[in-house]
Amino acid sequence: GNSVTQMEGPVTLSEEAFLTINCTYTATGYPSLFWYVQYPGEGLQLLLKATKADDKGSNKGFEATYRKETTSFHLEKGSVQVSDSAVYFCALTIPSGGGADGLTFGKGTHLIIQP
Amino acid sequence: DTEVTQTPKHLVMGMTNKKSLKCEQHMGHRAMYWYKQKAKKPPELMFVYSYEKLSINESVPSRFSPECPNSSLLNLHLHALQPEDSALYLCASSQESSGSSYEQYFGPGTRLTVT
Repeated sequence: GNSVTQMEGPVTLSEEAFLTINCTYTATGYPSLFWYVQYPGEGLQLLLKATKADDKGSNKGFEATYRKETTSFHLEKGSVQVSDSAVYFCALTIPSGGGADGLTFGKGTHLIIQP
Repeated sequence: DTEVTQTPKHLVMGMTNKKSLKCEQHMGHRAMYWYKQKAKKPPELMFVYSYEKLSINESVPSRFSPECPNSSLLNLHLHALQPEDSALYLCASSQESSGSSYEQYFGPGTRLTVT
């Protein structure tokens, strides 16, 4: 089956620090990869995506590169802000002609940024 | 516009009540999803509708009954719930077409409390 493994945290950083959240996956097909962010009391927001090897997804200063050889999709940001404090989920789905499928999520990483 | 709306935002119900959760999207997406999310956990897939037909039911108890009246609307009918069903219920939608990456867009969720 499919699975996603990510560091669970909490991860606590100071403002302006460099962020890396590791994510690795196993998949039965060729997955699309995603990072979602969830702020307290809210739904999930799509942060970025990548659909094929070596694609780099980016948004709001966050980046992640689809590495097929290491089955990884690590999230990075050069300088975090207090407003980045949230839970981050790495996820995948297998696009196919067979129809829509649910997302497979990692367990989530709680990020806390201190001023 | 990538908005998925959900009503109500909060719901408190007794174990003998019948209630419904509603979800709406106007992005022309033909796949819609219900997820259940417990505190500090990732979302768990419950149901998938593809072109208004139920395509995936993840062995959800019959006290949860989904309905897709048209391509923009998704309901979740609740009856005789248990306290352990208290959770955040998330709706999502995605395109379903060849070449799509199937990224899902989530609503803000309904916070359900069963007393």
